[in-house]
Amino acid sequence: DAMVIQNPRYQVTQFGKPVTLSCSQTLNHNVMYWYQQKSSQAPKLLFHYYDKDFNNEADTPDNFQSRRPNTSFCFLDIRSPGLGDAAMYLCATSRDGSGGANYGYTFGSGTRLTVV
Amino acid sequence: AQKVTQAQTEISVVEKEDVTLDCVYETRDTTYYLFWYKQPPSGELVFLIRRNSFDEQNEISGRYSWNFQKSTSSFNFTITASQVVDSAVYFCALSEFQGGKLIFGQGTELSVKP
Repeated sequence: DAMVIQNPRYQVTQFGKPVTLSCSQTLNHNVMYWYQQKSSQAPKLLFHYYDKDFNNEADTPDNFQSRRPNTSFCFLDIRSPGLGDAAMYLCATSRDGSGGANYGYTFGSGTRLTVV
Repeated sequence: AQKVTQAQTEISVVEKEDVTLDCVYETRDTTYYLFWYKQPPSGELVFLIRRNSFDEQNEISGRYSWNFQKSTSSFNFTITASQVVDSAVYFCALSEFQGGKLIFGQGTELSVKP
């Protein structure tokens, strides 16, 4: 089945040690999104790629970076994780940038990041 | 700017009760999309419904129904005869045609007790 896959499901990293989360999709969607969801909060958009065009949200910390080497893969890099970065990280895709007009959004199962 | 407000942080009901989750949104676009997602404790987001701004018809899917009213900028979600398996956090979300970003409300945690 076409889907959005996030690996790993759970990630434990040390304070200050760089960590990379991955997302892959078989939908051939143009847009990929990364959301951060802290405990008991709503998912918060960090950034998104429209094809190769990177779009950063104004309040996304510099500590967060992203790469999209091809249509299928997108990575979230946290350069120096702090305790406050512990969260669920959700990847999503949409066919285009038309607000979910076509096929809506498809979410992965998320990666739950713990910082120790 | 777009905004979604879910005023109910937590709701607790007894099984078989009906429950309505409120959602109010703000947008400047005339074309936009509204969504409801369910998030069980496992954390994945489960898509429930998408509604575009030109379609104000109410929708029913089994025990679920949605009431979209542009006049009050609301998109409320009702669960009829609630069940314990309905316990989860429910998010209302909005995306604008121009820009396409999906913005979430704060979520309503629903607890259905036996």
